[in-house]
Amino acid sequence: KNQVEQSPQSLIILEGKNCTLQCNYTVSPFSNLRWYKQDTGRGPVSLTIMTFSENTKSNGRYTATLDADTKQSSLHITASQLSDSASYICVVSGNYGGSQGNLIFGKGTKLSVKP
Amino acid sequence: DTEVTQTPKHLVMGMTNKKSLKCEQHMGHRAMYWYKQKAKKPPELMFVYSYEKLSINESVPSRFSPECPNSSLLNLHLHALQPEDSALYLCASSEGLDRVYGYTFGSGTRLTVV
Repeated sequence: KNQVEQSPQSLIILEGKNCTLQCNYTVSPFSNLRWYKQDTGRGPVSLTIMTFSENTKSNGRYTATLDADTKQSSLHITASQLSDSASYICVVSGNYGGSQGNLIFGKGTKLSVKP
Repeated sequence: DTEVTQTPKHLVMGMTNKKSLKCEQHMGHRAMYWYKQKAKKPPELMFVYSYEKLSINESVPSRFSPECPNSSLLNLHLHALQPEDSALYLCASSEGLDRVYGYTFGSGTRLTVV
């Protein structure tokens, strides 16, 4: 069964600290993995997208890694800011040939950054 | 323009009302999507349009009726909804159906059915 598991479910950190969010998936065949940031009641905003050949990708203070062999990804946030408080969602896309719209969403990690 | 615009941002409707949600993008994307998201849950796919034609209907009840008037617009017509249909409705678009392309999501419409 195609699944995306994220950990931790929630995380509280102090402003200025770093943190790492985890994503494990069982989606096969694999096409790409995306990390989104979603503020409460708002649409998801794309942070990174990686295909199987990419090991790391950065977007400002966000750095995502991908290990396609172990089917694991991480999102590292450096020098956290209060505005980083949001849910971070890992989304994996399968490569099903003619299939369409096959995004498998994780349940997200809710990050709270405290002053 | 690199955005997906959804209107209205908030909508409260009675169970006998008819309303529509609108989604617009001017990025030349040829695939557009409707998702439903309940609180603390991941988005669930409802409909996929590709080149203005309905490509996927994920067994959505007929009280939800999608429409794609042109390549830039996607509507979701609502009729006789139930309170359990209250949710955040997200529109998204992508260059094509190839999963390599990134999805751009709108900010969503917060729907409350009373």
